[in-house]
This record gives sequence, C-alpha cells and structure tokens, in this order.
Amino acid sequence: GAGVSQTPSNKVTEKGKYVELRCDPISGHTALYWYRQSLGQGPEFLIYFQGTGAADDSGLPNDRFFAVRPEGSVSTLKIQRTERGDSAVYLCASSLSGGLTDTQYFGPGTRLTVL
Amino acid sequence: AQSVSQHNHHVILSEAASLELGCNYSYGGTVNLFWYVQYPGQHLQLLLKYFSGDPLVKGIKGFEAEFIKSKFSFNLRKPSVQWSDTAEYFCAVNDQAGKSTFGDGTTLTVKP
Repeated sequence: GAGVSQTPSNKVTEKGKYVELRCDPISGHTALYWYRQSLGQGPEFLIYFQGTGAADDSGLPNDRFFAVRPEGSVSTLKIQRTERGDSAVYLCASSLSGGLTDTQYFGPGTRLTVL
Repeated sequence: AQSVSQHNHHVILSEAASLELGCNYSYGGTVNLFWYVQYPGQHLQLLLKYFSGDPLVKGIKGFEAEFIKSKFSFNLRKPSVQWSDTAEYFCAVNDQAGKSTFGDGTTLTVKP
C-alpha cells in the first residue's frame, strides 16, 4: 500500500516569497502531523490535525506559518514571507487515529531552501 | 513540557561490536516511547516502541530497548551491529495526543 507522500521533494525559493508544501497521508488515517527538521537536530513538532481541524498548532513558530486540511485528507503547509531561517526539511506523518499508542508513519520530507 | 536527550551524537563501531545508544526523557504523564531509524537517503521508520507491559521491547533487525521508569531512560541495544546498520537513530516520546518530541539523534557509523 502507499505510504505518506510529500511534494515537492525539494523547493528552492527566495527570501520573502510564499511557499506551499503538500502532504498526502495514508488513506484512512485521521491524524496528521507536521514537523520541521533542521540540520543536526531531530524533528520538531509544528501542528497536528485530527480530521479537518487543527487540534494543536502550538509548534508553529509564528503567524507566517499556516496549515490546512480542508477535507480531512491532504494537508498543505503554507509559509508566507519566507526567511533564510525557514530552511529545513519539513516532514509530514500520519497515524490511524492519533493518541498515545498510535504509530506515526513518516513521509520522505520536503527540503526547503530559502536563498 | 516533554523533552528527550540523546547522549551520543556520533558513534563509530566495527562490525560485530555491541551497540547501546542512550535516551533519557522528561515527561510528567503516561509515556509512549519510540526509536526511529533513518537510513541514508530514506525517510524515518519505526524500529520499536513501548507503551505498556514488558519493559524490554524487541524491534526489527535485532534491535531491542529497555524502559527503565526510575531512570527515565529508554536505551537502544543491539548485540552485534552490521555495516547496514549505519544510519541516524532518533528517540522520541509521545504525549496523550500522539504529538512526538524527538531527541537530536545519534549518527551510527559501522565500519566493515
């Protein structure tokens, strides 16, 4: 079966531009997570969706970051007015229902480079 | 807030050597602990997880980890590493919503 997919795999943009990163979770998974991984560090939580709603967006660094999941499946992470410090690998994960014991399945990530 | 600390940033071993990677966590609630592996050029994949029961957990590829509640530790072990175990290893703890907090990872290099 298909795993979590993310597009694009690489994105190079200029400082100040707007970018969208897409995540396609495993079919039937209601929980979806976004993480950001900077060089030499572990993934850092950004936002968690349960269905269509953002259940926890406490990890979003500022209001330039926004994510949606309008139909409870595909999610898009949107970054406005990108800054060089936004350069990182953005990871998406999904799990069957969320919660303490669920296993998260990770996508390959989108490597964002802001010049 | 929960946190995870991995003591070793880079470990270099020869094939057949034994491996132990340290992981300590800080979290006040019921924990669910994970070890993930990321092979070169691949995405994160689950090695093993603990959420209750036997504190010695066995995972894929001969890996195991022991949950020691009194020490807030969840160390990863393998009796005899192979060159193909070269990868980056991440320890993580989940909260009640399944949100994961990761350590900064340990890069394992196994020399043939």
